[in-house]
Amino acid sequence: QKEVEQNSGPLSVPEGAIASLNCTYSDRGSQSFFWYRQYSGKSPELIMSIYSNGDKEDGRFTAQLNKASQYVSLLIRDSQPSDSATYLCAVANSGGSNYKLTFGKGTLLTVNP
Amino acid sequence: GAVVSQHPSRVICKSGTSVKIECRSLDFQATTMFWYRQFPKQSLMLMATSNEGSKATYEQGVEKDKFLINHASLTLSTLTVTSAHPEDSSFYICSAYHMGYGYTFGSGTRLTVV
Repeated sequence: QKEVEQNSGPLSVPEGAIASLNCTYSDRGSQSFFWYRQYSGKSPELIMSIYSNGDKEDGRFTAQLNKASQYVSLLIRDSQPSDSATYLCAVANSGGSNYKLTFGKGTLLTVNP
Repeated sequence: GAVVSQHPSRVICKSGTSVKIECRSLDFQATTMFWYRQFPKQSLMLMATSNEGSKATYEQGVEKDKFLINHASLTLSTLTVTSAHPEDSSFYICSAYHMGYGYTFGSGTRLTVV
């Protein structure tokens, strides 16, 4: 059973602070890692993708991947109230010909003005 | 960029009827399409994976005769919820995969069975 674990939160941070979101996965064969943001009642939207060990930065967002520890994280700098949403970690393994995504349960982030 | 259109966005149907949800990739041909279901305050649960021209692969516990998936072309997949019951009420989301674009999600369909 391939599992993706996240702290369900809620995680509450003040505006301007750094929000840190964590995710672990069980399948060592996983190759692609994604962070999605989902607002209530909406479909997930891609924030970051990361495929190799290390950090990847995109604006206020930094994804970190450590395959040895089977750990992926997302840092949000200068958090804004508009960042308040559920953040979903997703992992893909190209088993066979179907690149299935397995999602974690999500972490609810609240950024307080 | 890659866009996936999903319709309808909301549907209310009577118990026992069938509902069809359409997922269309507008500007690319999807290698694979995925169908997810999401209950309130829960994560996305994969229901099935479909490839154009072949039968869908269903996840364990998903009834293939109840959730009919048709993937007639590289740009269109449909999910039909047959004999819907109130417990089928959920948020259904499709996703299309392309090697270059990765995963692109539709906007979701809120199904309410009354």
